[in-house]
Amino acid sequence: GAVVSQHPSRVICKSGTSVKIECRSLDFQATTMFWYRQFPKQSLMLMATSNEGSKATYEQGVEKDKFLINHASLTLSTLTVTSAHPEDSSFYICSARLAGGSETQYFGPGTRLLVL
Amino acid sequence: QKEVEQDPGPLSVPEGAIVSLNCTYSNSAFQYFMWYRQYSRKGPELLMYTYSSGNKEDGRFTAQVDKSSKYISLFIRDSQPSDSATYLCAMEDYKLSFGAGTTVTVRA
Repeated sequence: GAVVSQHPSRVICKSGTSVKIECRSLDFQATTMFWYRQFPKQSLMLMATSNEGSKATYEQGVEKDKFLINHASLTLSTLTVTSAHPEDSSFYICSARLAGGSETQYFGPGTRLLVL
Repeated sequence: QKEVEQDPGPLSVPEGAIVSLNCTYSNSAFQYFMWYRQYSRKGPELLMYTYSSGNKEDGRFTAQVDKSSKYISLFIRDSQPSDSATYLCAMEDYKLSFGAGTTVTVRA
């Protein structure tokens, strides 16, 4: 089946530093990848949609200068949380949609970010 | 009002019971309907995917969609302790909108 990986699975950083999270589709090409954030006991909230070779589309209320997204290839998208603060601590999950396939999104295992 | 409403539970059932989960929605533009299972501290795993009204069965899982009532359901037959997880409904027009998730515990 379609497998999506994320790296790192967990990161702890100091306030003010930047953190990069990678999302890879391992056995398929993904023209579109999505980044979600999930707070404890809450549902997933879409942050942005990332299309290969073009700028990401951000949801309302998500700061594009703070959450930098790069989708440089059909198998890799990165999310960089710049100048992270404790309120950015959350569970970040990416998903990928098969190129030319159905609307199904396949999710990565998530990255837990803790900003001290 | 949220686009997708889902009772967060928690829901506790004995092993072997039928688990019944449901969501309602308000956006008539939703075309695709999904159920995901999420274990603690893990990403969601797709369980069922439908795009029309009616029933879809896969093993112990049955998904129902009633577009006229804007209501979807997931039934888990012969539930097992390994089914204990949070179940998220999701619907899509041009993006996925998730319900809050229902936490299910199946007691051995």
